[in-house]
Amino acid sequence: AQSVTQLGSHVSVSEGALVLLRCNYSSSVPPYLFWYVQYPNQGLQLLLKYTTGATLVKGINGFEAEFKKSETSFHLTKPSAHMSDAAEYFCAVSDQGAQKLVFGQGTRLTINP
Amino acid sequence: EPEVTQTPSHQVTQMGQEVILRCVPISNHLYFYWYRQILGQKVEFLVSFYNNEISEKSEIFDDQFSVERPDGSNFTLKIRSTKLEDSAMYFCASSDRTANYGYTFGSGTRLTVV
Repeated sequence: AQSVTQLGSHVSVSEGALVLLRCNYSSSVPPYLFWYVQYPNQGLQLLLKYTTGATLVKGINGFEAEFKKSETSFHLTKPSAHMSDAAEYFCAVSDQGAQKLVFGQGTRLTINP
Repeated sequence: EPEVTQTPSHQVTQMGQEVILRCVPISNHLYFYWYRQILGQKVEFLVSFYNNEISEKSEIFDDQFSVERPDGSNFTLKIRSTKLEDSAMYFCASSDRTANYGYTFGSGTRLTVV
């Protein structure tokens, strides 16, 4: 069965610093990978996704993630954090052609002034 | 930008009562989903719905749960006899293709069973 592990339930960075949120997955076949963001009192918003092709994918709000098959990872990065990036971030995986997403436990990102 | 709308945003119900959570998916989407998130835990898949029938469901989605698309716009989740452990945030989502392309989620209904 698929599973997703997000290392660190809470990450805190200073404004302007690099953001790195870690995600590792276990899957028997190459999955499709997603990052979602949840702002307070809002739904889950798709940040970016990897399906096929280029392993470095760019998303909204300056975020990007790289699929590394050898490391079974899909870490999310942003070069320079903004206060508005404070939110909960979820990594998710699905099998090709599947209906459901399997989510990680989420990482709460805090930005310090 | 099109949105998935969920009502109510917060519902409190007594244990044993029936509750219906409502969702209006994006109008041209064909796939509909319910997920839930118990406080402090992962977002968990409940059920997917396509072509007016359940296409996949999790072990959580037992006989106490049902889904329905009563008309062309609404998608509902019914819990027949609520339990304390049903307290969670319930998210509706829709997509125009399979999960591979990402869903659009609603903002959720927080269900509190007392």
